[in-house]
Amino acid sequence: QVQLVESGGGVVQPGRSLRLSCAASGFSFSSYGMHWVRQAPGKGLEWVAVIWYEGVVKDYADSVKGRFTISRDTSKNTLFLQMNSLRAEDTAVYYCARADRGSPLEYWGQGTLVTVSS
Amino acid sequence: DIQMTQSPSSLSASVGDRVTITCRASESISNYLNWYQQKPGKAPKLLIFAASSLQGGVPSRFSGSGSGTHFTLTIGSLQPEDFATYYCQQSYDSPWAFGKGTKVEIK
Repeated sequence: QVQLVESGGGVVQPGRSLRLSCAASGFSFSSYGMHWVRQAPGKGLEWVAVIWYEGVVKDYADSVKGRFTISRDTSKNTLFLQMNSLRAEDTAVYYCARADRGSPLEYWGQGTLVTVSS
Repeated sequence: DIQMTQSPSSLSASVGDRVTITCRASESISNYLNWYQQKPGKAPKLLIFAASSLQGGVPSRFSGSGSGTHFTLTIGSLQPEDFATYYCQQSYDSPWAFGKGTKVEIK
C-alpha cells in the first residue's frame, strides 16, 4: 500500500534553514508527481510546491518562491523540501502528497510541524 | 494564477440534513476540481475527483457536480462522522490552489 512519511520538522529561528523529508513506499516513486502542502495553525490548506514525475519541472507558490527548493532522490524514494530564510508565517504542518498533472492529491503523509520562532 | 472561492466558510446543520458547498474558480478549469475532507489533527482525505467522480470507499451520500467555473459538493444526508472541514482544489494549472474551506458544524 502507498505510504508517505514526513520527517524533519521542528523549531527553528527566523532566517534559518530546515530540510524536510518524505519517505515514499508502495508505488513507483519516479513515476509520479510529488507535492508539498502546508497548513498554518487554525488555517486552511496552502499548496507549496511540486516536482513532476520526470524530475526536471518544478513549480512553487509565490509565497515560497526563491526561498524553498523541492527535490527528490529516486534511489532512496525520498522527497525533500529545503526551506531557507524561514519566516514566522512559514509556521505550519507540512504534508507531502502524490499527484500527477491534472490528478487529485490522492495520497497524503501524516504531516510534520515546522515552527519558526525566536 | 487561478483563485478558488469557496462558500460558505462555515455552516451549522443537523444529522440527516442535505448540505451543499459551493466552489468557484476565477477562470475555467474544465472539470479539474477535487474535494477533500479534513478532520482535526488529520491529513486531508480525497472525496471527489474530476468534479463528480467518487473516490473509492467514500459513501455515496457524497456527490459533486459542475464544470468550468462553478462546482458544488453535496452531502445527501449528513451523518455524525461528516462533521469536518471541506476544501475544494483545482488541478488544472500550476500553481495549484485550494479554497479556504467550509467548516461543517453540528447544529
